[in-house]
Amino acid sequence: AQSVTQLDSHVSVSEGTPVLLRCNYSSSYSPSLFWYVQHPNKGLQLLLKYTSAATLVKGINGFEAEFKKSETSFHLTKPSAHMSDAAEYFCVVSVPAQGFKTIFGAGTRLFVKA
Amino acid sequence: EAGVAQSPRYKIIEKRQSVAFWCNPISGHATLYWYQQILGQGPKLLIQFQNNGVVDDSQLPKDRFSAERLKGVDSTLKIQPAKLEDSAVYLCASSRGEQYFGPGTRLTVT
Repeated sequence: AQSVTQLDSHVSVSEGTPVLLRCNYSSSYSPSLFWYVQHPNKGLQLLLKYTSAATLVKGINGFEAEFKKSETSFHLTKPSAHMSDAAEYFCVVSVPAQGFKTIFGAGTRLFVKA
Repeated sequence: EAGVAQSPRYKIIEKRQSVAFWCNPISGHATLYWYQQILGQGPKLLIQFQNNGVVDDSQLPKDRFSAERLKGVDSTLKIQPAKLEDSAVYLCASSRGEQYFGPGTRLTVT
């Protein structure tokens, strides 16, 4: 069985400071891991993905995430937050060995203060 | 390439009525997903198709929800009869690895 836990329901940062959104996963198989962003009243957009290649994954808009198998984590980071980063972020686990069975985390809402 | 298309974008119905949503996935994507996203929550998988076969429908309320994917391309999701708690955004996604999402259908049940 697989599961994904986003450790913070809300994160608030000041513009220009680092962002850290935490995600832990559990999977019986080698998972693929993703981060999606959803801006208010907008669709879900893929930020980045891990599919068993490099453990440090770079995505769009300056975001990156590091896959740590020993810690079963896939935390999302950005060195410097921008006001436009304010949105809901979802960590997703997908298992190719199970026909891409997919589970979403509950989401973390990122607030960016001026 | 064209993205995932969904229609309608918005729908308002009364409880106990029926409603149907349509999804056209990205060409060549064998896997298709329907999600329900209630306001303030993450998307919940309702059903996953691989071509025209069902891979996972464990969270689909089968007494009122049904879905089909004829010919392994387009898909429809139906609710009959609708309840107030069905008010949500219904998202369709298609995949060959990572999922690409459509804009969603916002359903309001009054």
